[in-house]
Amino acid sequence: KQEVTQIPAALSVPEGENLVLNCSFTDSAIYNLQWFRQDPGKGLTSLLLIQSSQREQTSGRLNASLDKSSGRSTLYIAASQPGDSATYLCAVPPGAGSYQLTFGKGTKLSVIP
Amino acid sequence: NAGVTQTPKFQVLKTGQSMTLQCAQDMNHEYMSWYRQDPGMGLRLIHYSVGAGITDQGEVPNGYNVSRSTTEDFPLRLLSAAPSQTSVYFCATSYGTAGTNEKLFFGSGTQLSVL
Repeated sequence: KQEVTQIPAALSVPEGENLVLNCSFTDSAIYNLQWFRQDPGKGLTSLLLIQSSQREQTSGRLNASLDKSSGRSTLYIAASQPGDSATYLCAVPPGAGSYQLTFGKGTKLSVIP
Repeated sequence: NAGVTQTPKFQVLKTGQSMTLQCAQDMNHEYMSWYRQDPGMGLRLIHYSVGAGITDQGEVPNGYNVSRSTTEDFPLRLLSAAPSQTSVYFCATSYGTAGTNEKLFFGSGTQLSVL
């Protein structure tokens, strides 16, 4: 059974700092990996999706990398801002055509002004 | 576009009551799903549908029913509410199944309390 782990569970950084969020998964036979953002009381918003054939994806100040062989993904946030404060979750489908995602429990990020 | 719309946003039920959580999408997505989010448990799939008339069970389907009569709507029914069903419920949709390279779009959630 696929298990997804995100460490740390919470992270607090000063504004302007570059930071890395980690995601690890136990079964490397993944089809893709998504990073989501969740604001308090809100639904999840997909930030980046990395296909299994890709090493990384970038969107603005966000860069996500994927290393299938080691079962790891990282989300790099450059020049963090207070508006980046949220919970970040990663998720993987077990395989091609799979009907569900396995989610990590998330890292709660606080960016202090 | 409204995207994925869930109603109601909040609901309080008594044990044994039934209710329906509504989910509607205007993105012409074939794949629709229901997740519940609980502290310490993360997000877990309840039921999903890959198209009108097709539904299937996810990881935690007991106590819930679904149907998909149209592409746009995917209601979740609680048959006889129990305190263990206290949770935040999310509807999520996509062009393809979770295993395709398509992003998943979430509604804003329904916070349900069962007393």
